[in-house]
Amino acid sequence: DQQVKQNSPSLSVQEGRISILNCDYTNSMFDYFLWYKKYPAEGPTFLISISSIKDKNEDGRFTVFLNKSAKHLSLHIVPSQPGDSAVYFCAASSSGGGSNYKLTFGKGTLLTVNP
Amino acid sequence: DTAVSQTPKYLVTQMGNDKSIKCEQNLGHDTMYWYKQDSKKFLKIMFSYNNKELIINETVPNRFSPKSPDKAHLNLHINSLELGDSAVYFCASSPPSWGLPSTDTQYFGPGTRLTVL
Repeated sequence: DQQVKQNSPSLSVQEGRISILNCDYTNSMFDYFLWYKKYPAEGPTFLISISSIKDKNEDGRFTVFLNKSAKHLSLHIVPSQPGDSAVYFCAASSSGGGSNYKLTFGKGTLLTVNP
Repeated sequence: DTAVSQTPKYLVTQMGNDKSIKCEQNLGHDTMYWYKQDSKKFLKIMFSYNNKELIINETVPNRFSPKSPDKAHLNLHINSLELGDSAVYFCASSPPSWGLPSTDTQYFGPGTRLTVL
């Protein structure tokens, strides 16, 4: 049962343009969402997150938008740079009390930024 | 100065063997995790330990046994390896959240690629 879905396995964008990566989720208990970036032969690296009480979070060139009613979030990268080429994972968790939160990951989207 | 380290990076072994993967974090975190990324690229949590105590144990065969000698280490021992165990295994850690709503960021190690022949 895929609770976090990234339906685009790959995305190719020209340098300087906007990259938009999409993620959908099915579990309405999720209240915290994260994007991770992964280069080959490395572990995922945290990029940006958003709590369900917000609909937008911005950090430099990266902005995450959350649409709770549609159970959809997206990551915008503007402007895209060749160094952004990596696999991007969407992840979600539910607080539900306690201090340890399980992250549920999507399958990832391979972003290629062409010079 | 590596934050979360795993050894070995690559592990090739025969079916039926027993192997261990080690993980160490120097971030002072209380919680550590093991994830498996299979051939379909899904990253799925296997275990989580908080202060050496098992917190999360997903549906994982009991051939997999995590061991946490102290809160900076979480090792993964696998008995009687099977072909389907071939995957990349990631260790991760996160800081304590003191019972507050989650703002946990998990920090991942570089992964161990296990190949079972």
